[in-house]
Amino acid sequence: QKEVEQNSGPLSVPEGAIASLNCTYSDRGSQSFFWYRQYSGKSPELIMFIYSNGDKEDGRFTAQLNKASQYVSLLIRDSQPSDSATYLCAVRRSQGNLIFGKGTKLSVKP
Amino acid sequence: KAGVTQTPRYLIKTRGQQVTLSCSPISGHRSVSWYQQTPGQGLQFLFEYFSETQRNKGNFPGRFSGRQFSNSRSEMNVSTLELGDSALYLCASSSGSGGSETQYFGPGTRLLVL
Repeated sequence: QKEVEQNSGPLSVPEGAIASLNCTYSDRGSQSFFWYRQYSGKSPELIMFIYSNGDKEDGRFTAQLNKASQYVSLLIRDSQPSDSATYLCAVRRSQGNLIFGKGTKLSVKP
Repeated sequence: KAGVTQTPRYLIKTRGQQVTLSCSPISGHRSVSWYQQTPGQGLQFLFEYFSETQRNKGNFPGRFSGRQFSNSRSEMNVSTLELGDSALYLCASSSGSGGSETQYFGPGTRLLVL
C-alpha cells in the first residue's frame, strides 16, 4: 500500500461546479495534512493545511479530515478555469518529513 | 520577504558526471528539504536539513547527498549521474518547528542527464 494515495485523474468539472479531490494515507501516526497546487512547469504552492478532524474553510477551498478513516479531501467551490492544475496531497509523518501523493490533475472547462 | 531561490534553474549533464544544486531558504527559516519530481514517481523526499544537521532521509542511494551551511543555505550533490536522475529537483524551506509548519517551495532546478 502506498503511503499517500490520490486518484491521478484527470478530473474534469464545468466552470462554477464543485471539484472534490480525495486522498488516503497509511500512517496512522500522521500529524498534519497539506494541499498544494502545482501548475504545469511551476513549483507547488500551498493552498491550505489541516490537522484536526473536521472541516477547515478558506475562501472557495474547504479541507476535510477524517483520521479514523485516514482520509483527507479538498473541495473547491465555484471552480474557475484558473483552478486547472495538479493538486498534491501531502502528509507529515510521525518522523516529521512530508510525504506527497502523486497528485490529481484537475481540469475546469469554461 | 524574498522567497526560496534555487540555482541553477536548468542543467544538462552527461552520465557519470556529478552535479551540485544550491538552495537559499526564506530568511529566518532553518529547515531545508529536498525533493525529486518525475512524471512517473511524483514528488519524492530526498532529505531534510535543520541547523546544519540531516534530520530526515528518504530512500535514495548514497550518490545523493546534501549539506547545510550556518546561514541555512543548502546544497545537494548527485555523483555518478544516471539517465534516471533526470528530474525536477525542488527544495522547500520551513521554520523547522514541525507539526503544522508549512513548507515553501523554490522554483526548482531541472536536470537533464544525457
